[in-house]
Amino acid sequence: LAKTTQPISMDSYEGQEVNITCSHNNIATNDYITWYQQFPSQGPRFIIQGYKTKVTNEVASLFIPADRKSSTLSLPRVSLSDTAVYYCLVGDFQAGTALIFGKGTTLSVSS
Amino acid sequence: SAVISQKPSRDICQRGTSLTIQCQVDSQVTMMFWYRQQPGQSLTLIATANQGSEATYESGFVIDKFPISRPNLTFSTLTVSNMSPEDSSIYLCSVGETAGYTFGSGTRLTVV
Repeated sequence: LAKTTQPISMDSYEGQEVNITCSHNNIATNDYITWYQQFPSQGPRFIIQGYKTKVTNEVASLFIPADRKSSTLSLPRVSLSDTAVYYCLVGDFQAGTALIFGKGTTLSVSS
Repeated sequence: SAVISQKPSRDICQRGTSLTIQCQVDSQVTMMFWYRQQPGQSLTLIATANQGSEATYESGFVIDKFPISRPNLTFSTLTVSNMSPEDSSIYLCSVGETAGYTFGSGTRLTVV
């Protein structure tokens, strides 16, 4: 499975757009990129998944360049409730393989 | 997506005893996974549990310490055996579907 690298922590203020970039230089052809969010005392929750270009849902956008060696999770207008740990994962999830978590990015949103 | 009920949500156990954690899913799923999350750390995969076959354990985890059952497509248990304080962690189950992976709310285990 491709290894991912992301910042350990980020700080933001309410209302700002937050972009978290993840590096995955060894991504394989069949691999997808997925992001999960985890609040304290809860299990991780799916945010978004993509293969290439751009994916957008009601929560976030995911930007993937043509070489797919990195991806950027974009959270528009964050609020205090977006304070959480965000994990970037890469793998052939269609095959039902387990998620292998890296260290994640702790996002702290202040007022 | 699937809904997972994980029990107990927390427990305080004496060293040397065992605790069995249950995960019930509201739909049939092929793949179930068990994770451990130590305080302030990321999730570490313990094992993959498929119905009708023995669980597959990751490096550093053994069946004698973490026996897993998967009697049907909606249920699994993880037992933490002969516990020591180092086993104090949050244990989570997860299921994989084409729509994504769903996690239980976790079991916070404290061994004293």
